[in-house]
Amino acid sequence: GAGVSQSPSNKVTEKGKDVELRCDPISGHTALYWYRQSLGQGLEFLIYFQGNSAPDKSGLPSDRFSAERTGGSVSTLTIQRTQQEDSAVYLCASSGAGRSYEQYFGPGTRLTVT
Amino acid sequence: AQSVTQLDSQVPVFEEAPVELRCNYSSSVSVYLFWYVQYPNQGLQLLLKYLSGSTLVESINGFEAEFNKSQTSFHLRKPSVHISDTAEYFCAVLLSTGGSYIPTFGRGTSLIVHP
Repeated sequence: GAGVSQSPSNKVTEKGKDVELRCDPISGHTALYWYRQSLGQGLEFLIYFQGNSAPDKSGLPSDRFSAERTGGSVSTLTIQRTQQEDSAVYLCASSGAGRSYEQYFGPGTRLTVT
Repeated sequence: AQSVTQLDSQVPVFEEAPVELRCNYSSSVSVYLFWYVQYPNQGLQLLLKYLSGSTLVESINGFEAEFNKSQTSFHLRKPSVHISDTAEYFCAVLLSTGGSYIPTFGRGTSLIVHP
């Protein structure tokens, strides 16, 4: 079966522009996570969706960041007025119901803000 | 809140040597523990996990980790590494109670295996 997919794989944008990053989770997975991975900084949690519940946005670094999940499936992370410090790899992960707690990660989107 | 410390940012070893990647966590409640691996230019994938039961867990490619509750550690070990084990390794902790399903990740350890 298909894994988690993300698009685009690479995105170069100018400072001040808005960007949208897309995540397609594994079909049937109810939980979806967004992380930011910077060199030497590990994974920084951004936002968590679980079913129809209100998302946990506690990791979003500023109000320039937002995310939505449509129909309990595809998710879009939007960064408005990008800054150079937003440059990083943005990872999406999904997990299913049950008690395995394992996360399945996508390949990531490498964002470069010039 | 829980935290995860991976004590070594980089571990260089020679092929066929043993290796230990250290992971310590802090939490006032019981936890689930994970090791994820990220091979060059690939996404993260689960290597092994501890949820309950035996404190020694193994992966299919020869890695093992032991949950030590008294030392709050979950170190990853392999008795003989291969070149193909070169990757970034992340330790993660998830609270087993409280309803949170957001794991906390360590900063990662880069394992570099030399021929």
